[in-house]
Amino acid sequence: GEDVEQSLFLSVREGDSSVINCTYTDSSSTYLYWYKQEPGAGLQLLTYIFSNMDMKQDQRLTVLLNKKDKHLSLRIADTQTGDSAIYFCAESPLYGNKLVFGAGTILRVKS
Amino acid sequence: GAGVSQTPSNKVTEKGKYVELRCDPISGHTALYWYRQSLGQGPEFLIYFQGTGAADDSGLPNDRFFAVRPEGSVSTLKIQRTERGDSAVYLCASSSPGTDTQYFGPGTRLTVL
Repeated sequence: GEDVEQSLFLSVREGDSSVINCTYTDSSSTYLYWYKQEPGAGLQLLTYIFSNMDMKQDQRLTVLLNKKDKHLSLRIADTQTGDSAIYFCAESPLYGNKLVFGAGTILRVKS
Repeated sequence: GAGVSQTPSNKVTEKGKYVELRCDPISGHTALYWYRQSLGQGPEFLIYFQGTGAADDSGLPNDRFFAVRPEGSVSTLKIQRTERGDSAVYLCASSSPGTDTQYFGPGTRLTVL
């Protein structure tokens, strides 16, 4: 079955880069997503990558995909206090339209 | 443009009661999804609609949970005989035709006392 795992917590200083990692099990996943959730709020789509890509850059965000190792990462350059939130990795299996989420990584940015 | 909206934002009920949670998707989005998020966890899939029909309801935990989307737009998630374990945030998402990218609403926080 599908499973997505993430580290629980990351703490960085303002201005540093943050790297949030994710591993998944379904090799047939078509898309992989990163969502951000601030306290008491819903999920905000940050970025996504198609499974035949290795990298995608979108302003301060860089997504790297290692399909062989089923490893996905999100790099946030010049991390700001407003980036403090929970970040969820999600995979979209080939068959079916549901998203399978990890448990989330809490990012804390210290000023 | 308007995003996905959900009402109510908070719902407190007593064990054994019936509740309805409403989701208004983004206009023009044909696919609609319900997820449940327990404290400290990621969202878990419940049900997916394509138009008016439930295309995948494999995530509904038991027959106390039911969802409808009679006109292919607004959807209602219905929970009968609520239990304390049903307490969670219920999230709705929608996606436009031909894409898989899901946009989420703010959620309804359900508390069963």
